[in-house]
Amino acid sequence: DVKVTQSSRYLVKRTGEKVFLECVQDMDHENMFWYRQDPGLGLRLIYFSYDVKMKEKGDIPEGYSVSREKKERFSLILESASTNQTSMYLCASSLGRDRGPRGYEQYFGPGTRLTVT
Amino acid sequence: LAKTTQPISMDSYEGQEVNITCSHNNIATNDYITWYQQFPSQGPRFIIQGYKTKVTNEVASLFIPADRKSSTLSLPRVSLSDTAVYYCLVGANNYGQNFVFGPGTRLSVLP
Repeated sequence: DVKVTQSSRYLVKRTGEKVFLECVQDMDHENMFWYRQDPGLGLRLIYFSYDVKMKEKGDIPEGYSVSREKKERFSLILESASTNQTSMYLCASSLGRDRGPRGYEQYFGPGTRLTVT
Repeated sequence: LAKTTQPISMDSYEGQEVNITCSHNNIATNDYITWYQQFPSQGPRFIIQGYKTKVTNEVASLFIPADRKSSTLSLPRVSLSDTAVYYCLVGANNYGQNFVFGPGTRLSVLP
């Protein structure tokens, strides 16, 4: 089974702090994604990466950055945390393109609930 | 991007068949239709994917009419453990990043 792990289930940070959320997948997937999930809004894509050191903005990249130095690891960085970044953060990975339609199937981690006070 | 519309919530009783319909009027020719399930405090989990007609697996069936402007997820004989949020996604591109998760349908299965 594909396993996607996230560094913390719960995190509490203060406004202005720099926050790192780590995600690791163990199935040699090419694509990795970061979403945030808020009540009534579903999941919104922040950033995704299709290869090491490659990144693309999603729908809501403002206030976030990402890093992918190794294929299995994708980090989400909040440069200066703000209260409106309090949310559930979900990491996902998928096989990648040229793998047929199932290459788009995303495997999600358990999520990190971040509270910024 | 193909936008999807699905009911916000549904109630059912144990043992019943549940059908959740999703509208996607501007689906593109190369788009696939994918459904995910999410339990509280967990990430979404893939259920089923299809392009046209009918797809069935051990968990659910997916019915897609010829015009592909809608699709119906069918869950046979639901149990309490099927209580979850179900997301309908439409898209296909090089990286899969355009699969948009809307608010989903919150299914409550009652005893």
